[in-house]
This record gives sequence, structure tokens and C-alpha cells, in this order.
Amino acid sequence: SQTIHQWPATLVQPVGSPLSLECTVEGTSNPNLYWYRQAAGRGLQLLFYSVGIGQISSEVPQNLSASRPQDRQFILSSKKLLLSDSGFYLCAWSEGLGGYTFGSGTRLTVV
Amino acid sequence: EDKVVQSPLSLVVHEGDTVTLNCSYEVTNFRSLLWYKQEKKAPTFLFMLTSSGIEKKSGRLSSILDKKELFSILNITATQTGDSAIYLCAVAFLSGNTPLVFGKGTRLSVIA
Repeated sequence: SQTIHQWPATLVQPVGSPLSLECTVEGTSNPNLYWYRQAAGRGLQLLFYSVGIGQISSEVPQNLSASRPQDRQFILSSKKLLLSDSGFYLCAWSEGLGGYTFGSGTRLTVV
Repeated sequence: EDKVVQSPLSLVVHEGDTVTLNCSYEVTNFRSLLWYKQEKKAPTFLFMLTSSGIEKKSGRLSSILDKKELFSILNITATQTGDSAIYLCAVAFLSGNTPLVFGKGTRLSVIA
């Protein structure tokens, strides 16, 4: 069966520090992968998605970047975090026309 | 621009009440509408609706889609405190590679 792993679960980082969040999927090949951010009390904002290795589409211009070095690995990064980067980050995967399966999320607080 | 609008944004009810959550959309190349429930962490899938007028049901939850008026409702009968969550509506597109567009969610609080 397919599973999705996302870590870490929580993170407190100072302003200006780098960021790396990782997401891996097991039990499927060539999934579509997504990074969403959810600010407090708000819906899901799509940040990046990928339909294949090395293929990244960015939805919102910001100081974040994403990479897909392997078929089932999706990484969200930043060189220098801003206070406004705080939020709940969710990774998800989908296959074909199915719905999304979400990871358990990372709560990032930038201080 | 594709839009998905949920209402109300938040709702407080007592146990046993029936609630109706709304989701309207304005998108091109619509394929289906999905409902998710988000408690503390990951949203979990509830329903996918593709055809108008066909109710989907799971226990006390049910949902229906109106493709003419471009909306869906999610009903929860005999609410319980465990129904407290954010309910998210999303639209999927004809191209499977186009990401879902989510609404802002409805935060439901059920009090004993």
C-alpha cells in the first residue's frame, strides 16, 4: 500500500536561517507531488508541484524553492527564512485522476 | 482565475444538531469536487463528486453536487464532538496534472 512520510513534524527556526523539509512516498511510481502551506485559519495555498523528476512548477513567487531529486522524494527549501514563512506545510501525492493523499504536515515557526 | 468559495468560514453547533456546509466554484475545465476533513494534521478524504444530483453518503455525512448552479453541500446529521474539524472543499480539473484548487475551509466546532 502507498504511504507518505513528511518530516520534521515541528520546527522552530530563526529568521535568516535555511530550511529543508522532506517528503517521501512509498508504494507508487511517478506520482504527482505537491507542497501546500496553510496559514492559521486559512485554506491550503499551493506552493509547488511536480509531475516528474526534476520538473517543478511554482505557483507563488517567494523565497522558497522545491526540488525532486528522485521519483518519490520532494524537498522544500529556503536559503533565508522570513517571519512570513511561518505556517503549516503539507506535502501530498496523487496518481492519475485520483484525489490527494496528504502527509502529516510540518508546523514551522520562524522567530 | 479559478475560484472555490466555502461558507460559512466558521460554525459552532451543539451535539445532535444538523449542519450544512457550502462550497461554490467558478472554474474552467471542471472534472470533480472533493471534500476533505482536517482535524489536527493531514486532511483526510471524504467524498469525490463528479455527477450532478447523485448523493454520496458515509454514515452521518452526505454530499451532493449541482453542476448547473456550480455548488456542493456537505451535510452532517446528529453531530458529535468528533466532527469538530476544518472541512475543505477542492476542485479537480480535466487534466490530471493540474493541481486541485482548495477553498479556505469551514471550521466546525461541535460543543457538548
